[in-house]
Amino acid sequence: DTEVTQTPKHLVMGMTNKKSLKCEQHMGHRAMYWYKQKAKKPPELMFVYSYEKLSINESVPSRFSPECPNSSLLNLHLHALQPEDSALYLCASTKNLRTAQPQHFGDGTRLSIL
Amino acid sequence: GESVGLHLPTLSVQEGDNSIINCAYSNSASDYFIWYKQESGKGPQFIIDIRSNMDKRQGQRVTVLLNKTVKHLSLQIAATQPGDSAVYFCAENGNYGGSQGNLIFGKGTKLSVKP
Repeated sequence: DTEVTQTPKHLVMGMTNKKSLKCEQHMGHRAMYWYKQKAKKPPELMFVYSYEKLSINESVPSRFSPECPNSSLLNLHLHALQPEDSALYLCASTKNLRTAQPQHFGDGTRLSIL
Repeated sequence: GESVGLHLPTLSVQEGDNSIINCAYSNSASDYFIWYKQESGKGPQFIIDIRSNMDKRQGQRVTVLLNKTVKHLSLQIAATQPGDSAVYFCAENGNYGGSQGNLIFGKGTKLSVKP
C-alpha cells in the first residue's frame, strides 16, 4: 500500500466527457505533482503544486486542468481528451520544494480515451 | 543500452546472482539522484538515493554508485530475487533555477529474474 492514494484506479471515457482524477496524501506534504506515463516510458512531469499554488506547468494542453483545493488533495480535471492522452497518470508528493528528496508516488489512474 | 521505440533495455539474471543496472544522466548541475522500482500496475517505489557529495551509498541489498566525472549512476542489487523483477528508473533533480521540484527520469531498464 502506498501513502499516496489515487482514485479511480481505472477510467474509460469518451472524447466529449468530463471527468476528474483525485489524489490524496496525509503525510503533511506541501508539494504535489502530476505525471503522465505511457507504456514502456518513464513518467513525464505535468504539474507541480507548492503550498496549494501552481508552481510548474510543463506546457500541458488546457484540456488538463489541475486543482489543489487543500494541502492533502490534488485533482486533475479532464475535458475533451484525445486518444493519445490514454496513459497512466501518477500523483506524487514531497514535504516541500526546498530540498531534494524522494517523491512518494501513488499507484496511478489508468486512463483510456475511446 | 539505449531503448529504441517501445523496447526497454532488459537485463536478465539468474536468481541469487548480483544485478547491475546502469544509467547515464544528462545535467552536470544535478546534485541529487534517485533509483525507483516500478512493478506492473503500480507506481514508482523509492529504492535508494544519493547526493552529489557522495560516490557510494548502501542500503539493504542495494548499492548506488555515482561517477560525476562521466555522469554515470549505477544500482547494484545483491542476491537478486524473483521479487526484484520490475522496471528500474534512475532520476536526477536537474536543479533548474534552484527548484527541487523537477525530477528527470531516465529511460528505464527492465530486470527479469529467472528462478
